[in-house]
Amino acid sequence: DMKVTQMPRYLIKRMGENVLLECGQDMSHETMYWYRQDPGLGLQLIYISYDVDSNSEGDIPKGYRVSRKKREHFSLILDSAKTNQTSVYFCATQQGNTEVFFGKGTRLTVV
Amino acid sequence: GDSVTQTEGQVTVSESKSLIINCTYSTTSIAYPNLFWYVRYPGEGLQLLLKVITAGQKGSSRGFEATYNKETTSFHLQKASVQESDSAVYYCALGRNNNNAPRFGAGTKLTVKP
Repeated sequence: DMKVTQMPRYLIKRMGENVLLECGQDMSHETMYWYRQDPGLGLQLIYISYDVDSNSEGDIPKGYRVSRKKREHFSLILDSAKTNQTSVYFCATQQGNTEVFFGKGTRLTVV
Repeated sequence: GDSVTQTEGQVTVSESKSLIINCTYSTTSIAYPNLFWYVRYPGEGLQLLLKVITAGQKGSSRGFEATYNKETTSFHLQKASVQESDSAVYYCALGRNNNNAPRFGAGTKLTVKP
């Protein structure tokens, strides 16, 4: 079964706190992504990972960092969260130029 | 850079009526990109609806169709008769090129009224 799992699904944090969003996949895909979705803006790419310890900034990396120590696991970290990082975050995986598989998303609220 | 434009943020259609969701793309990195439509149902992640990798071809799935038009750089999504269960958010996407990531449109929220 092809699955991308995101944890947690919902999260409320105070401004200045650290945030860890986790993503796992069971397909052994090399490429993984973190996107955020805001109303009217579509999916904005935060980071792309080509494999273990091979990560590149996307279009909006400021305020975020990532970690990929195992192929099946890709984490998004917010050091000192800001209110403008309130959003829905999607993790996704892809092998080559085929279909992209998405997790169900994490709704993060920073208050 | 590459981009995808969906002009309608929200669309409301009555059940059994026809639907068209517009999508145009712009790319400087590849002449004929792969094109996709994804759908997101409430509480779920995006999932592939259909794809077309050859210019001029039509893709179809679950009653939806989209034709890859390289002259107008468009990939509009159509359905002849929508159902309430089609209510969802639809995203047009440009396939990845080299090591770039896929590009997504802003999404169009479809509401089908009974």
